[in-house]
Amino acid sequence: NAGVTQTPKFRILKIGQSMTLQCTQDMNHNYMYWYRQDPGMGLKLIYYSVGAGITDKGEVPNGYNVSRSTTEDFPLRLELAAPSQTSVYFCASRHERTGLNTEAFFGQGTRLTVV
Amino acid sequence: AQTVTQSQPEMSVQEAETVTLSCTYDTSESDYYLFWYKQPPSRQMILVIRQEAYKQQNATENRFSVNFQKAAKSFSLKISDSQLGDAAMYFCAYRSANSGGSNYKLTFGKGTLLTVNP
Repeated sequence: NAGVTQTPKFRILKIGQSMTLQCTQDMNHNYMYWYRQDPGMGLKLIYYSVGAGITDKGEVPNGYNVSRSTTEDFPLRLELAAPSQTSVYFCASRHERTGLNTEAFFGQGTRLTVV
Repeated sequence: AQTVTQSQPEMSVQEAETVTLSCTYDTSESDYYLFWYKQPPSRQMILVIRQEAYKQQNATENRFSVNFQKAAKSFSLKISDSQLGDAAMYFCAYRSANSGGSNYKLTFGKGTLLTVNP
């Protein structure tokens, strides 16, 4: 009954470092998402994927990359970390079926600080 | 593009009382879904309630209900008999129902922080 699992839960990066946020889901969902949440703001979409091998940009993709080699995994890569990337990151997944209002399930978030 | 507005950054309610959180949205679409998510201090995003735009009947989940006014593009959340565990950030969210459109993503409001006083 794992749902959506994100690792790590917390991370501090130095400016210019790189890291990968891991996300895996065990519900066989076709859609997966990465959001960031800044203080006082809602969640903004970074990247999304509608299935293995297919990814696309969301509203705020600059400074990030993703891949979707399997249905289960959707890692988010930060290259050359900047202070503006300090945020809480959420991975989510959903089973898209036309005409159905399916629920998105979220991971517990990763709090990233870039110093 | 769709937008979601939550005009109340913070709200407070006495335990056992009722509180209503406001949400308005802007869209040119006729078919869409609306959601309220709860985010407690644990950061976990929890779905509270959802509404399909084509349904006239307001959704209800136990102590949580919505007032969906499609013409006014309003989607408020009412919490009855408030409990201490209801204290959290609440987000209103929108998703298109049109396949091939923007149905892939949720658009969120900025949230309302609800405090429940004992």
